[in-house]
Amino acid sequence: EDKVVQSPLSLVVHEGDTVTLNCSYEVTNFRSLLWYKQEKKAPTFLFMLTSSGIEKKSGRLSSILDKKELFSILNITATQTGDSAVYLCAVELDDMRFGAGTRLTVKP
Amino acid sequence: DGGITQSPKYLFRKEGQNVTLSCEQNLNHDAMYWYRQDPGQGLRLIYYSQIVNDFQKGDIAEGYSVSREKKESFPLTVTSAQKNPTAFYLCASSRAGLGKTQYFGPGTRLLVL
Repeated sequence: EDKVVQSPLSLVVHEGDTVTLNCSYEVTNFRSLLWYKQEKKAPTFLFMLTSSGIEKKSGRLSSILDKKELFSILNITATQTGDSAVYLCAVELDDMRFGAGTRLTVKP
Repeated sequence: DGGITQSPKYLFRKEGQNVTLSCEQNLNHDAMYWYRQDPGQGLRLIYYSQIVNDFQKGDIAEGYSVSREKKESFPLTVTSAQKNPTAFYLCASSRAGLGKTQYFGPGTRLLVL
């Protein structure tokens, strides 16, 4: 059975901290892995990863995929209160499998 | 075994035809959502419903219609007015209120013949 597991489920940090969110998967027919940030309504797309070892970076956020060990991490440096959200990991197969999300709370 | 299901997995549409995508959840969630995903892009919100018999347009509602007659079900109809329907459609549900974690179904790939 295809599955995507995110950890931790929730995380509370203070502004300025660096966080690492984890996403591991066991799937067949892997196509890509996507990270989303969900605040209010629709999740916001962050990254799509298809190749191992190539870091994608956007501002204070970065992500990397390891297709041998079947996981991805999302790093956020110098966290701000605006980073508070649920971060979703999804793996695209013939269909899509989402993880349960990591709820990040950044305190002032 | 609680969850959210979508059917069919693949759907083919002929020109000028309306097709309906099914989304069912047994999580007792009040809110349900429909998204469209195109290759290499993120999710775009089509419609959402916070409560039975009520729904609101998302960012790309044109060419789509929905109904919410039951809490468990939120079907999406792709009408002939949608000129570029080929995409991956994802349904999600959550507890009431914005910002609640959304749980996603496995999706339906719609292809135009």
